[in-house]
Order: sequence, then C-alpha cells, then structure tokens
Amino acid sequence: AQSVTQPDIHITVSEGASLELRCNYSYGATPYLFWYVQSPGQGLQLLLKYFSGDTLVQGIKGFEAEFKRSQSSFNLRKPSVHWSDAAEYFCAVASGGGSYIPTFGRGTSLIVHP
Amino acid sequence: KAGVTQTPRYLIKTRGQQVTLSCSPISGHRSVSWYQQTPGQGLQFLFEYFSETQRNKGNFPGRFSGRQFSNSRSEMNVSTLELGDSALYLCASSTWTGGNEQYFGPGTRLTVT
Repeated sequence: AQSVTQPDIHITVSEGASLELRCNYSYGATPYLFWYVQSPGQGLQLLLKYFSGDTLVQGIKGFEAEFKRSQSSFNLRKPSVHWSDAAEYFCAVASGGGSYIPTFGRGTSLIVHP
Repeated sequence: KAGVTQTPRYLIKTRGQQVTLSCSPISGHRSVSWYQQTPGQGLQFLFEYFSETQRNKGNFPGRFSGRQFSNSRSEMNVSTLELGDSALYLCASSTWTGGNEQYFGPGTRLTVT
C-alpha cells in the first residue's frame, strides 16, 4: 500500500530565509506526487505536481520540488519565505491508471517569524 | 472559471441526526472526491465519483454515502451522526479519474453535539 511521511510536524523559519519541507513516500511503481497548501479554515490549494519527466518541478508562489527516486523523496523548497507562506503543507501520492485512491501525509505546519 | 463550491460552509447537528453536504465541481470536471479532515486522523479519503458512478471508496462505515448527478454535482450523506463525525469535509474535483491533480473546495465544517 502507498504511504506518505512528512517527518516534520512544525517548522519555524524567519521571513526571507530558505525553506525545505520533507516528504518521503512508499509506492512500488512511479508515483504521482503532489504538494498542497492549506490556509486556516480553507481548502487545499495545489502548489505543484510530478507525474513524469524532469525531476525538478516548478510550482506556484515560487515553490519548487525535486523528485528523487533513489531516496523516495519529494521535498518542497522555496528560496525566500514570505510571511504569507505561513500555512499547513501536505504532500500526497497517488497511483496512475483507473483505480486511484490518494494518500496524504499528516502535514507540516509552517510558522514564519518576522 | 469558478472554483469548487461547497454548501453549507458550517453546520451544527445533534447525535443521531443525518446530514447532507453538497459540492459543485469546476465546470468541465467530471470527477468529484470527498475527504474527511480531522486533527487526529488527518486527511482521509471517503469516496470518488466519476460520471455518476462511484469509482473508489475509502475505509468508512456505510453511514457515509454519496452520489453524483448528471451535471457532476455531488452530495454526501452521513446518517446517524456520531460525535466523532465532527470534521472538515472537503470536496475536490478533477477533469478525469486516475491520479490527476485535484482542486479543492473550502470545505464544510460539521460539528456534532
């Protein structure tokens, strides 16, 4: 069965600092990978996705993520964090094909200090 | 293009009652999925509908059910509510089934007292 681990429950960074949120997945074949962001009281917004091809994917709001098959990881990065980036971040994995049940990580809460 | 809409946004019900939540997907999207989000369990998949057919189902009791209409709008129903059903219920739509990216609505906050 597929699974996703986000090792960090909370991460605190200063505004302007760089950010890396970790995500490790377990899945036999090549997975579909996603990062979502959730602001308080809101639904999830897709930041970026990886299906195939270039392992470094660019997303919205200046985020990027790198798929590393050898490490089963899909870490999210941003070179300079803004106060508005404070939110909950979720990594998700899904299989392709006709049967699709996505699995989400437990989320990482990002706190940004001024 | 309008996003995914969910109604109502907030709901308070009593144990034993039933509730129906509604989701309107993005225009042109034919797949609608439902999720339950709680602090203890995180995001859990309930079910997915595509072209009015349930394609996948998560590990929830039969009290949780859903349906999809010909215009792709979807409803989910929870019967005999329990305190543990208090959660944020999220609806997500996508163009097709099979691992495509999903677009989420703002959710319905259900409180069971």
